[in-house]
Amino acid sequence: EADIYQTPRYLVIGTGKKITLECSQTMGHDKMYWYQQDPGMELHLIHYSYGVNSTEKGDLSSESTVSRIRTEHFPLTLESARPSHTSQYLCASSESMWGLSYTFGSGTRLTVV
Amino acid sequence: GENVEQHPSTLSVQEGDSAVIKCTYSDSASNYFPWYKQELGKRPQLIIDIRSNVGEKKDQRIAVTLNKTAKHFSLHITETQPEDSAVYFCAATTGANNLFFGTGTRLTVIP
Repeated sequence: EADIYQTPRYLVIGTGKKITLECSQTMGHDKMYWYQQDPGMELHLIHYSYGVNSTEKGDLSSESTVSRIRTEHFPLTLESARPSHTSQYLCASSESMWGLSYTFGSGTRLTVV
Repeated sequence: GENVEQHPSTLSVQEGDSAVIKCTYSDSASNYFPWYKQELGKRPQLIIDIRSNVGEKKDQRIAVTLNKTAKHFSLHITETQPEDSAVYFCAATTGANNLFFGTGTRLTVIP
């Protein structure tokens, strides 16, 4: 089924560890996004990509980095996790031409202890 | 850039009553306005959207209205049910940029 998939769903990790949150979509969408969602619910755009080898920082400053080597894959990496990185991370994608609406993944809930 | 404001941040209604969530936007070039529903522990999902050439759109118990002159749009849910309890996000875009989301409204339907 065409969808967007995030792994892992839940991750508890120690301070200083390097982590990669995976996001893959099988819809052939060109545009992909990463959002950080507070417990208070607000969505903050941290990275986006309009296609292969294209990545941009979003509105919220983040210590994470992203890459877009393949259309379907948009991983997010934290080189050294800190407790302040504890949050829910949502990946989304949309089409280029008519894709004004986003399809979201189920999210990764990250806890850094 | 675009700025989307959403009110109220929390809303409680009795089952069967109506709920209204309002959003304003700043960029007069915005022409697409989707609404997303996020149930507890789940992903945001598109429930209804409206384009700037339309003033109102309905889908069963939900409707969205758009006032381009005033730059505001609203989500209306009639005959609310407990399963309508969720966080609702409005958004706006010109199509040439990303979606700009409102800050969310937590709707609670009291049985």
